[in-house]
Amino acid sequence: EAQVTQNPRYLITVTGKKLTVTCSQNMNHEYMSWYRQDPGLGLRQIYYSMNVEVTDKGDVPEGYKVSRKEKRNFPLILESPSPNQTSLYFCASRLTGGAGQPQHFGDGTRLSIL
Amino acid sequence: GQNIDQPTEMTATEGAIVQINCTYQTSGFNGLFWYQQHAGEAPTFLSYNVLDGLEEKGRFSSFLSRSKGYSYLLLKELQMKDSASYLCAVRGNQGGKLIFGQGTELSVKP
Repeated sequence: EAQVTQNPRYLITVTGKKLTVTCSQNMNHEYMSWYRQDPGLGLRQIYYSMNVEVTDKGDVPEGYKVSRKEKRNFPLILESPSPNQTSLYFCASRLTGGAGQPQHFGDGTRLSIL
Repeated sequence: GQNIDQPTEMTATEGAIVQINCTYQTSGFNGLFWYQQHAGEAPTFLSYNVLDGLEEKGRFSSFLSRSKGYSYLLLKELQMKDSASYLCAVRGNQGGKLIFGQGTELSVKP
């Protein structure tokens, strides 16, 4: 089954404790992206990757890091999480060929930083 | 700047028709997407428009006017399961990035 898998689905942690949210897709998609979703603000892009070893900042990259060592994986790293990073996070992927390719989203990761 | 506007909330009755509007101002245009998102779940793809006109897919249709920077999503024969948030998103020029509106929360009542 074609899917984008995120882990963990839920996490409660404390300020300053490094964490990684994993994202994996099995569709051989070149493009992958991370979003956060907050009430009243919609989905905002954090980082994206056009292909292996190619990453770039989205609209709200501060406090986040990513890597793309393999095509299927695109982990999101919070080196020193803070309460303002409490949010619902989505990973997404798509083929790069053709502007009409839709993004496929993972099921989301709800992060609470205390 | 880049901006996408949609109404925050709408209410409609089961069996009726509802139109959700979206206006946009973006740097470049490579198509407009509509996604459906049920509470606490992932957005799922509904439709894509890149040329002016109406695209129909079963109970859902989407319209685009590029000159007016305007789109709408039309939902017919509303069902209770259509209660969800509907997200309008525009693909600009910058690396194929999608810019999302805040979403329209649709409540379908019996």
